Amino acid sequence: SQKIEQNSEALNIQEGKTATLTCNYTNYSPAYLQWYRQDPGRGPVFLLLIRENEKEKRKERLKVTFDTTLKQSLFHITASQPADSATYLCALVSSGGSYIPTFGRGTSLIVHP
Amino acid sequence: DAGITQSPRHKVTETGTPVTLRCHQTENHRYMYWYRQDPGHGLRLIHYSYGVKDTDKGEVSDGYSVSRSKTEDFLLTLESATSSQTSVYFCAISASEGHQPQHFGDGTRLSIL
Repeated sequence: SQKIEQNSEALNIQEGKTATLTCNYTNYSPAYLQWYRQDPGRGPVFLLLIRENEKEKRKERLKVTFDTTLKQSLFHITASQPADSATYLCALVSSGGSYIPTFGRGTSLIVHP
Repeated sequence: DAGITQSPRHKVTETGTPVTLRCHQTENHRYMYWYRQDPGHGLRLIHYSYGVKDTDKGEVSDGYSVSRSKTEDFLLTLESATSSQTSVYFCAISASEGHQPQHFGDGTRLSIL
């Protein structure tokens, strides 16, 4: 069966360090992968998209990598700040399907001052 | 921020009663989606719409119906609410299928007693 796995345990890091979040998947042929941020009581907000033929994408302090051999995406936040504390969701869109993303459960990031 | 309004934002009702949630957008996007988000499950697609009067089922559609009579409005109806439908419901829109990201409303917290 198809699975998208994100670490269910919260990631705690110190301000200024790089946060790395993982998204693993099985039994998908992804066309592309998206990352969203969700704050408590709010809807998810789109951050970045990476296509299956791209290895890396950057936006300001954010970097996403996509390894279709390992079936994994890594999401990095450099120079993290307490304001980066939130839940981060990855979402996969399969090729040849309806092009509607399937979401992982998300990983909570807590940045300590 | 994308113009998406969900109403009501909170609702408490009793088992067996009908409930309708409304999603209103001002972006003139073709695609609209309803998700539910529960602890341990992440976001799961209930129904989606790819145009006026054009809808299709998602992963967890049992017990739910939808209607889209205008581009800007997408209604989700629970014909006879059950306690298992207690959840946070999110509406999302996108300009097209494919690589376009989804933009989410801030959700409706529904409690069924």
